[in-house]
Amino acid sequence: GAGVSQSPRYKVAKRGQDVALRCDPISGHVSLFWYQQALGQGPEFLTYFQNEAQLDKSGLPSDRFFAERPEGSVSTLKIQRTQQEDSAVYLCASNVYRAGDEPQHFGDGTRLSIL
Amino acid sequence: SQQGEEDPQALSIQEGENATMNCSYKTSINNLQWYRQNSGRGLVHLILIRSNEREKHSGRLRVTLDTSKKSSSLLITASRAADTASYFCATDGAGGTSYGKLTFGQGTILTVHP
Repeated sequence: GAGVSQSPRYKVAKRGQDVALRCDPISGHVSLFWYQQALGQGPEFLTYFQNEAQLDKSGLPSDRFFAERPEGSVSTLKIQRTQQEDSAVYLCASNVYRAGDEPQHFGDGTRLSIL
Repeated sequence: SQQGEEDPQALSIQEGENATMNCSYKTSINNLQWYRQNSGRGLVHLILIRSNEREKHSGRLRVTLDTSKKSSSLLITASRAADTASYFCATDGAGGTSYGKLTFGQGTILTVHP
């Protein structure tokens, strides 16, 4: 596709359930980022992939959060045993890898609500 | 954690007026970027200014950067109702990762009345 695609757009889950969020980046983009955006706030970095390698996961809030990109294209963010504080919009972004100076292309996000 | 603060938190103007948003940050940077977000959508990149640049223009957008004060401003001239959105600054920090990890501010909500 032409842009970064995320699915589902909306996800409602009960506390304690596991969820999986999908990101399909722009074809050929090496770098892939996940961000978490709380209501009324700016996005906060979660994790970064360069191709299939997860080079930075310093922003993942707990070991309940897990991300993968096994073939260097589609990525999945999984949250286990969801908590109410996990409610947020999860944004995925990709770009052609350079040493910085490259804008990121964002998907429209997945709005996660934990009941 | 957020890199810094944006000012004002909300701005309401009439069509045709100029809108100025400010951003402050805390650490050294490689570059600073501005993004726009419409309600319920992802972020759209507007402009990037490198740490060795002081001013940059793109269409109706003008960005300034003052690294001594660790601050930046975004000016939108001759605003339109379609400019209504949230605007975020984001910094790519120096001295650390080189892959473009961004730290965002809290954003300015701009409303342009027709």
